Amino acid sequence: DTGVSQNPRHKITKRGQNVTFRCDPISEHNRLYWYRQTLGQGPEFLTYFQNEAQLEKSRLLSDRFSAERPKGSFSTLEIQRTEQGDSAMYLCASSITQGENTEAFFGQGTRLTVV
Amino acid sequence: AQSVTQPDIHITVSEGASLELRCNYSYGATPYLFWYVQSPGQGLQLLLKYFSGDTLVQGIKGFEAEFKRSQSSFNLRKPSVHWSDAAEYFCAFYRGSGTYKYIFGTGTRLKVLA
Repeated sequence: DTGVSQNPRHKITKRGQNVTFRCDPISEHNRLYWYRQTLGQGPEFLTYFQNEAQLEKSRLLSDRFSAERPKGSFSTLEIQRTEQGDSAMYLCASSITQGENTEAFFGQGTRLTVV
Repeated sequence: AQSVTQPDIHITVSEGASLELRCNYSYGATPYLFWYVQSPGQGLQLLLKYFSGDTLVQGIKGFEAEFKRSQSSFNLRKPSVHWSDAAEYFCAFYRGSGTYKYIFGTGTRLKVLA
């Protein structure tokens, strides 16, 4: 296994268009996270899944954002009607539940530019 | 409020000099603590973690961190910095119950002078 994989690595889109990103976690990991990172900031939590269940969503996640993890494996993050403020790096991470001893492994991210 | 503070936005050190990056957290109990490193345009790589036990933890690339409960701190150190250590460093904590998310500081950008 080569770690968390995110596609595409870069996406340029026009304002108002919809975009979808994909994340493939480490295969045995049951938790999957989405974070957003803007320039000069730390990653901000968006949402997380345990298996296929979306257990928490941030207030940052407006109704234009939707995430799925249909079979508890890969996940998609869709942004509808993109705005320039959506330009950011979108990071996916996964972890495995082993009691409370856990660490998150991050993908390389998808950089979104809305023009 | 639960938060992580990294007071130094930028730090510049000479190659071979020692390094300490500061991290303070605000949380009602002992959290699980992490340091991650991020090179430009890349994802985050875990340097080290603290869950319990020995308060001095060793990580990869010669880094170590010390957990001090009395100061709510988890500072990252390296005795001799290499030019390849130039990157952005993030401190994070993870709540072990109730909500299972990682909360990050704003990061410290390290510049290394040759």
